[in-house]
Amino acid sequence: EAQVTQNPRYLITVTGKKLTVTCSQNMNHEYMSWYRQDPGLGLRQIYYSMNVEVTDKGDVPEGYKVSRKEKRNFPLILESPSPNQTSLYFCASSFLWDTEAFFGQGTRLTVV
Amino acid sequence: SQQGEEDPQALSIQEGENATMNCSYKTSINNLQWYRQNSGRGLVHLILIRSNEREKHSGRLRVTLDTSKKSSSLLITASRAADTASYFCATMDSNYQLIWGAGTKLIIKP
Repeated sequence: EAQVTQNPRYLITVTGKKLTVTCSQNMNHEYMSWYRQDPGLGLRQIYYSMNVEVTDKGDVPEGYKVSRKEKRNFPLILESPSPNQTSLYFCASSFLWDTEAFFGQGTRLTVV
Repeated sequence: SQQGEEDPQALSIQEGENATMNCSYKTSINNLQWYRQNSGRGLVHLILIRSNEREKHSGRLRVTLDTSKKSSSLLITASRAADTASYFCATMDSNYQLIWGAGTKLIIKP
């Protein structure tokens, strides 16, 4: 089944404790991206990747890192999480940058 | 930056009625896309319309795009309870970024 898989689905962590949210897609898509969703703000793009080893900042990259060593995986790293990073995070992929996006089920992160 | 703005923010209609949502944006776009989200879950792609297209249909969905007014509308005909969800427009610009609006919350009353 074609899908984007994020893990974990839920995570509660403490301020400053490094964490990684994994994202994997099995559709051989070139373009992958990370978003955060906060009430009343819609989705905001954190980082995106046009292809392997090519990543770029989105609108809200501060406090996040990504890597794209393989086509299928695009992990999101929070080196030192803070409470303002409490949010619902989505990973998405698309065949090309200007085609429809497929979303993972989301990761609800709480930083205390 | 928030490119698209949906209108209305919330819409409540009776089952069987048509629902219309609008989206306005600010800059030139490559395409405009509509997505549906059920209660904090993953987003599902509904329809993509390119900047050189004016109208597109998919089942009960009809999307229009007016690039001169920088606006789009999504029409859902013969609404069903299962259409209850939040609907988002997103614009793809030449910077390879998909920029999202804050969404329209649609409630279909049985």
